[in-house]
Amino acid sequence: KQEVTQIPAALSVPEGENLVLNCSFTDSAIYNLQWFRQDPGKGLTSLLLIQSSQREQTSGRLNASLDKSSGRSTLYIAASQPGDSATYLCAVDTGANSKLTFGKGITLSVRP
Amino acid sequence: DTGVSQDPRHKITKRGQNVTFRCDPISEHNRLYWYRQTLGQGPEFLTYFQNEAQLEKSRLLSDRFSAERPKGSFSTLEIQRTEQGDSAMYLCASSDRGRATYGYTFGSGTRLTVV
Repeated sequence: KQEVTQIPAALSVPEGENLVLNCSFTDSAIYNLQWFRQDPGKGLTSLLLIQSSQREQTSGRLNASLDKSSGRSTLYIAASQPGDSATYLCAVDTGANSKLTFGKGITLSVRP
Repeated sequence: DTGVSQDPRHKITKRGQNVTFRCDPISEHNRLYWYRQTLGQGPEFLTYFQNEAQLEKSRLLSDRFSAERPKGSFSTLEIQRTEQGDSAMYLCASSDRGRATYGYTFGSGTRLTVV
């Protein structure tokens, strides 16, 4: 059974800091991995998707990497801003049965 | 089409009442999913449709829950005889055959509170 872990559960950083959010998964046979952002009481916004054959994806100040063999992904946020404050969720698609397995998320607070 | 739409955004109901939620996926997406998210947790899979066929249901989906996608377009999720433990955010997502490249698109969710 696929399990996804995100540690720590919460993170507080000063504005301008570069930061890394970690995600680990137990079964390396994945189809793809997707990072989402969730604002309080809202739905999920897709940030980046990395296909199983890819190593990384970039969008603006965000960069996501994938190491399937070690079961890890990281989301790098450059020059953090208070507007980046949200919960960041990592989700793995194993291909079977077309469903995502999520971590519990990391709640990020960027202090002005 | 601007994305996945869910209605209502919020629902407060008394224990024992029935509730129904609606999801309108992205029009060209043939796959539709329901997830449930409780406070401090990641979303958990409930059920999945490909066109109008319900292909998988989680064990989380008790007999009080039923989902339909009658014409392969919008979907409804009904909860009968609601319990306080049903309080959660119910999220709908859709994808197409290109999900390896484009992944899943989620709606804004329906927040259910059972009092």
